[in-house]
Amino acid sequence: EAQVTQNPRYLITVTGKKLTVTCSQNMNHEYMSWYRQDPGLGLRQIYYSMNVEVTDKGDVPEGYKVSRKEKRNFPLILESPSPNQTSLYFCASSARAITSYGYTFGSGTRLTVV
Amino acid sequence: QKEVEQNSGPLSVPEGAIASLNCTYSDRGSQSFFWYRQYSGKSPELIMSIYSNGDKEDGRFTAQLNKASQYVSLLIRDSQPSDSATYLCAGYAGNNRKLIWGLGTSLAVNP
Repeated sequence: EAQVTQNPRYLITVTGKKLTVTCSQNMNHEYMSWYRQDPGLGLRQIYYSMNVEVTDKGDVPEGYKVSRKEKRNFPLILESPSPNQTSLYFCASSARAITSYGYTFGSGTRLTVV
Repeated sequence: QKEVEQNSGPLSVPEGAIASLNCTYSDRGSQSFFWYRQYSGKSPELIMSIYSNGDKEDGRFTAQLNKASQYVSLLIRDSQPSDSATYLCAGYAGNNRKLIWGLGTSLAVNP
């Protein structure tokens, strides 16, 4: 089954404790992206990757890191999480970044930083 | 600032009626548009994409695009309670290679 897999689904952590949210897709998609979704603010892009070893900042990159060493994986790293990073996170992928393709989303990770 | 705007709702329609969801966008360079459905706490799911002026139909869903007026709409015929969700509109502008998202319209279909 074609899918984007995120883990974990739920995570509660403490301020400052480094964490990684994994994202993997099995569709050979070139483009991958991370979003956070907050009430009243909608989906905001954190980072995106056009292909292996090619990443760039989205609209809200502060406090996050990403890497794209393999085409299928695009982990999101929070080096020192803070309470304002409490949010619902989605990984998404697309065959290409260009106009014709919609995104496939992972199931989401609900992160709480206390 | 490129924007995609939607009425937040909630839009309430009776079961069996036509639900009409609208979206306007500011960037005339936007080339393609997408409608996603998102149930509470779940991930967005692609419903329709539209690239050309006019209508595009898929089952009970019809997407409409009017580039001159810069609006996109989604019609849901024979609405069902299972259609109750938030509907997100997104526009793609090729020059910045990213989707611009609206905040979504909440739809409630009442039995």
